[in-house]
Amino acid sequence: DIQMTQSPSTLSASVGDRVTITCRASQSMSTWLAWYQQKPGKAPKLLIYKASSLESGVPSRFSGSGSGTEFTLTISSLQPDDSATYYCQQYNSYPLTFGGGTKVEIK
Amino acid sequence: EVQLVQSGAEVKEPGESLKISCKGSGYSFTNYWIGWVRQMPGKGLEWMGIIYPGDSDTRYSPSFQGQVTISADKSISTAYLQWSSLKASDTAMYYCARRGSGSEYFDSWGQGTLVSVSS
Repeated sequence: DIQMTQSPSTLSASVGDRVTITCRASQSMSTWLAWYQQKPGKAPKLLIYKASSLESGVPSRFSGSGSGTEFTLTISSLQPDDSATYYCQQYNSYPLTFGGGTKVEIK
Repeated sequence: EVQLVQSGAEVKEPGESLKISCKGSGYSFTNYWIGWVRQMPGKGLEWMGIIYPGDSDTRYSPSFQGQVTISADKSISTAYLQWSSLKASDTAMYYCARRGSGSEYFDSWGQGTLVSVSS
C-alpha cells in the first residue's frame, strides 16, 4: 500500500496569508494525486486532480504542484471560507489511500 | 447536475445486518465507478472499495475485504454497501462517491450516511 503523510496536521493563519500543505507518498506515483476540502458535517469536495489540475468551479487561489513522492496544495490568499480540513489522495494504485488530513484554522 | 443521494442515518445493535444505499442521477449511472469511503468519528477518510454498475465489477480494500459487500442495481441507478453482522467499530459516516472519468479520484460525493452501532 502507498502511505500518504500530510503536514502539518493543523495550521492557523490569517486572512490573506499564503498557506502551503504538503503530502508525501511512501513510493513514487507520478502525478496521480487529488486534493479534497472537507468542512465540518459535510462531504469532501474535490479541489485538485492529477496533482495540479483545478476542478471546475474551484477558486483560482487554490493550486497544486508536485510529482513523484512530494506534493503541495497552496492557497494563495487565505479566505474565511477556506476554514476546513484538507486531504490528499493517491490514485496510483489500489488500495486508494488518503493522507491523514490538515486542519486549516483562521486566526 | 450530478447528484448522489444516500439513505438516512441508521441506529443498529451489534450483530444486526444493514444495507445502505446511494442513488445517482444527472449522469449515466452505468458508465461511472462508485466508491465507498468510511470516516470514523473525528478521523480521516478510508477507501473501502469500488463498483462499476455497468457490469458489477468490484474491487475492495484489503482492510474491508470480507467485512462488507458492495453491490449495485443499475436498473434503479443505486449502489449499496452492506454488512451481515455489525460491530460497534463500524460506527462511522459512510460516503459514496463517483469516480472521475478515466481516473481514480472522486469528483462527486453523496451527503453521507451515519451508521451508529451500540447495544
